[in-house]
Amino acid sequence: DQQVKQNSPSLSVQEGRISILNCDYTNSMFDYFLWYKKYPAEGPTFLISISSIKDKNEDGRFTVFLNKSAKHLSLHIVPSQPGDSAVYFCAVGGGAGSYQLTFGKGTKLSVIP
Amino acid sequence: EAGVAQSPRYKIIEKRQSVAFWCNPISGHATLYWYQQILGQGPKLLIQFQNNGVVDDSQLPKDRFSAERLKGVDSTLKIQPAKLEDSAVYLCASSLVRGQPQHFGDGTRLSIL
Repeated sequence: DQQVKQNSPSLSVQEGRISILNCDYTNSMFDYFLWYKKYPAEGPTFLISISSIKDKNEDGRFTVFLNKSAKHLSLHIVPSQPGDSAVYFCAVGGGAGSYQLTFGKGTKLSVIP
Repeated sequence: EAGVAQSPRYKIIEKRQSVAFWCNPISGHATLYWYQQILGQGPKLLIQFQNNGVVDDSQLPKDRFSAERLKGVDSTLKIQPAKLEDSAVYLCASSLVRGQPQHFGDGTRLSIL
């Protein structure tokens, strides 16, 4: 029973265009949401986060959107660059004082020059 | 600042043997996590320490896995005896305090023959 779902295993985008990665979660108690980026043979790198009191957080080319009613979050990368090619993991946590993170299976993004 | 250090990077053992992994978190980070990442999946939390105390080990297979964090700094994760299904990347992460983004090491890739 997956609590966090990333339904697209892979995504290809042209350089300069927008990349949109999606994530759905099941537990409305989650209140802390993060995106991690992972290159091969390296550990995940923290990218951006958002708490449940906000619906948008922006950091340079990266923006995370949270729709609590739909239990959905997305990561927008604009403009996409070849160096953004990596696996992106959505992670959710919090609720009832817990700080445990639950990760999705990841989406492999390929940015084509 | 130096990142999370893990060793070894790779380990190959036969089933029923024992193995240990070492982690040195970012200096000053009170919270330390061990994750298991099976190929094609997201990281799954095994155990969480706050300083040298265990906060959450609900997903640690305690019949074969053990972990300790002596003096609240370095940590070791041990598997004894190993099974084929333990083949995975073992990731260590740390955060300044609970609720802050976790920073990951590059992991140890374990192969069981």
